[in-house]
Amino acid sequence: DAMVIQNPRYQVTQFGKPVTLSCSQTLNHNVMYWYQQKSSQAPKLLFHYYDKDFNNEADTPDNFQSRRPNTSFCFLDIRSPGLGDAAMYLCATSRTSEKLFFGSGTQLSVL
Amino acid sequence: AQTVTQSQPEMSVQEAETVTLSCTYDTSESDYYLFWYKQPPSRQMILVIRQEAYKQQNATENRFSVNFQKAAKSFSLKISDSQLGDAAMYFCAYRRGSQGNLIFGKGTKLSVKP
Repeated sequence: DAMVIQNPRYQVTQFGKPVTLSCSQTLNHNVMYWYQQKSSQAPKLLFHYYDKDFNNEADTPDNFQSRRPNTSFCFLDIRSPGLGDAAMYLCATSRTSEKLFFGSGTQLSVL
Repeated sequence: AQTVTQSQPEMSVQEAETVTLSCTYDTSESDYYLFWYKQPPSRQMILVIRQEAYKQQNATENRFSVNFQKAAKSFSLKISDSQLGDAAMYFCAYRRGSQGNLIFGKGTKLSVKP
């Protein structure tokens, strides 16, 4: 009964090679978030969609972009991954004012 | 800017005992929500408990309860009858109003000793 699904669980890419992480939801929530979590650190918000409205955090690198083609899907694109982008990427969803539901995350390694 | 502070990087509790994790936050907003999330080694974030700032009554979910002190901007989590499965990283989080994103504290790693 997975509600927020992230694929793949583990992703390996090469330095500078574009990579896309995916997230889908069965909850019909209007808000979707992408968080980056590095080892032993708190999750850090990269951006979120409120319906189709895209909201980028001020300190999110330009290297990171996102697409939300419909309510159910949201993608995180890293155009030119660097070694510092290796992290766990967490997708979450919510209805306005309610709790966030998180996916299991995608662990990204950059070689 | 809102901040969330967890002053205990690590805590340890004996199985069946009670432990309290501390969290303080800073905000000038009146409408906000507070959360405790648990992150086990699998790395999935699991909501433990949620508190609306406008509610004076402390939230409770089975063995988990909070002590919400709005004036002091304190939001501690009490885990009663600790179980081995409670071992995880616990994050305190703040959300402004109905559209704000979650701001997390740095987390407290809880170990449960058998």
